[in-house]
Amino acid sequence: AQTVTQSQPEMSVQEAETVTLSCTYDTSESDYYLFWYKQPPSRQMILVIRQEAYKQQNATENRFSVNFQKAAKSFSLKISDSQLGDAAMYFCAYRSATRGNTPLVFGKGTRLSVIA
Amino acid sequence: KAGVTQTPRYLIKTRGQQVTLSCSPISGHRSVSWYQQTPGQGLQFLFEYFSETQRNKGNFPGRFSGRQFSNSRSEMNVSTLELGDSALYLCASSPGTGDYGYTFGSGTRLTVV
Repeated sequence: AQTVTQSQPEMSVQEAETVTLSCTYDTSESDYYLFWYKQPPSRQMILVIRQEAYKQQNATENRFSVNFQKAAKSFSLKISDSQLGDAAMYFCAYRSATRGNTPLVFGKGTRLSVIA
Repeated sequence: KAGVTQTPRYLIKTRGQQVTLSCSPISGHRSVSWYQQTPGQGLQFLFEYFSETQRNKGNFPGRFSGRQFSNSRSEMNVSTLELGDSALYLCASSPGTGDYGYTFGSGTRLTVV
């Protein structure tokens, strides 16, 4: 079974600075999707960024970018120019692309605090 | 475009009772998934429905059940509630396969006393 590990339960960053959240995963599959979700206090999980495993190019969405290392099974999220609104729980998630309609497998999350 | 709507937002129930939670997906989305979120276990998959059929099921006891209606709205039911069922229950919808991610609702916070 696939597993997702987020080794940093909590992190903090100064406003306007850059922070990187770590995620590693374990799988024997070669084709899959990886996601980062943000969960603010409103509780709604918001999709931040998505990566397709067969694409070597790292995904980018405005201030959010990933460092996808397929061989190392690593998928870190970099947040540039951090803003107060970035404070939230961040979850890394994996989804198989080869086993039909499989659910997301989530890591335990990293709580990010942004200091003004 | 309306998002995923979950009702109610909060619920307090007594051990042994049963509860029904509701989820209305984004218009046009045919897949609805349910997840349980607790501090200890994190996010765990309950089940997924697509076009009124259960397409996938997680490792939860039979007390947890769900269904999907022809308009794609979904309900989940938990019978004989236990204290350990206290959690945030999140619903997520997608057009079909979820390859492009899911859109989540704000969840129902269930407290069992």
